Amino acid sequence: QVQLVESGGGVVQPGRSLRLSCAASGFTVSSFTMHWVRQAPGKGLEWVAVISYDGSNKYYADSVKGRFTISRDSSKNTLYLQMNSLRPEDAAVYYCARDVTEIGNDYWGQGTLVTVSS
Amino acid sequence: SYDLTQPPSVSVSPGQTASITCSGDKLGNKYVCWYQQRPGQSPVLLIYQGSKRPSGIPERFSGSNSGNTATLTISGTQAMDEADYYCQAWDSITAVFGGGTTLTVL
Repeated sequence: QVQLVESGGGVVQPGRSLRLSCAASGFTVSSFTMHWVRQAPGKGLEWVAVISYDGSNKYYADSVKGRFTISRDSSKNTLYLQMNSLRPEDAAVYYCARDVTEIGNDYWGQGTLVTVSS
Repeated sequence: SYDLTQPPSVSVSPGQTASITCSGDKLGNKYVCWYQQRPGQSPVLLIYQGSKRPSGIPERFSGSNSGNTATLTISGTQAMDEADYYCQAWDSITAVFGGGTTLTVL
């Protein structure tokens, strides 16, 4: 069955970097458009980044543009989010989600918590 | 940037109908999804393309989208429906979420 498992979250100081991973099973990451979505504590969902199914297009929310990079490794069937120059406002649970065209995000991971604090 | 507006909270009595709105400029021209998120859990897709239900989603959940407003309707609301609900609009492969609505079943 389809499963997404995020990892890599933790406590990091402002200005430092962190790389999140999202290991997929039950489907091939390189066959689907994939997203990162975050949720700050007690707040709503915020779309962060997307990589198209063929890897040719990557888009980012204005709040992370220039600091975050979405990528994937087909050999590991894993999605990544490289987060640089982290700010306190980046603290959130980060979810990866699969995108089915014209349907939406049909599968989500359990999330990984990122805390940005000195 | 594109903004979606939802009421912060909606209350409903068990067995009654709850309606949650989502407003955005020309929203009726966009694909709209709705998600349910229970405390401590990941979001679950409830409605896609404004009014379609994925398999496994109960028929009491329905949606509509026209003009500047999309609406999620829950008929015969049950205690288990108490959760946060988010609308989502798509622009090609990018997305934006509404601020979320907390549904309380009194």
